[in-house]
Amino acid sequence: ETGVTQTPRHLVMGMTNKKSLKCEQHLGHNAMYWYKQSAKKPLELMFVYNFKEQTENNSVPSRFSPECPNSSHLFLHLHTLQPEDSALYLCASSLVGPIGELFFGEGSRLTVL
Amino acid sequence: LAKTTQPISMDSYEGQEVNITCSHNNIATNDYITWYQQFPSQGPRFIIQGYKTKVTNEVASLFIPADRKSSTLSLPRVSLSDTAVYYCLVGDLNSGGYQKVTFGTGTKLQVIP
Repeated sequence: ETGVTQTPRHLVMGMTNKKSLKCEQHLGHNAMYWYKQSAKKPLELMFVYNFKEQTENNSVPSRFSPECPNSSHLFLHLHTLQPEDSALYLCASSLVGPIGELFFGEGSRLTVL
Repeated sequence: LAKTTQPISMDSYEGQEVNITCSHNNIATNDYITWYQQFPSQGPRFIIQGYKTKVTNEVASLFIPADRKSSTLSLPRVSLSDTAVYYCLVGDLNSGGYQKVTFGTGTKLQVIP
């Protein structure tokens, strides 16, 4: 079981659709992250929110739009995606501070047709 | 952040001790070392973390030599359920309020009956 819950677990969308991925944590953490894991590639950090403030954006295309309304919830809004955006999108959270443990959710498997 | 290099894959028989070595030649004074485990279609799970010398917990040991240019994850008496990808990460202690780490390609460990 995990303290980080991601929905939906699977999503298929067309290139013109708009959809959102949701992440929720009940661990009392204040930092939340979005990672992308493509087939046979390392995990790529996309965004970091620290106390609801975006502190990292690793040159992610604007078709990915994050939102962090509070410390427990994180969204990734998707629009006009490309087939190469198909991947496993992982949310993680951690306590404030540079060390410790990243707690990951089980991921949302996205397929763009 | 320092780049990490690990073997792409390893095989081991059940019950044996497995040692996975990670090279991080350019590690900086402010960097620390963390290992994660990932099963297919799941998020990574924290195993162990350290800065220097040896760290041990209930599932693994981490050996870091004095020059810190490498680290070795030791898994005692592996079982089939230890078949997974193992990631060595280097993180920045000066990142501020969040964990600034980079995932590499990892080591795929296959445990054989």
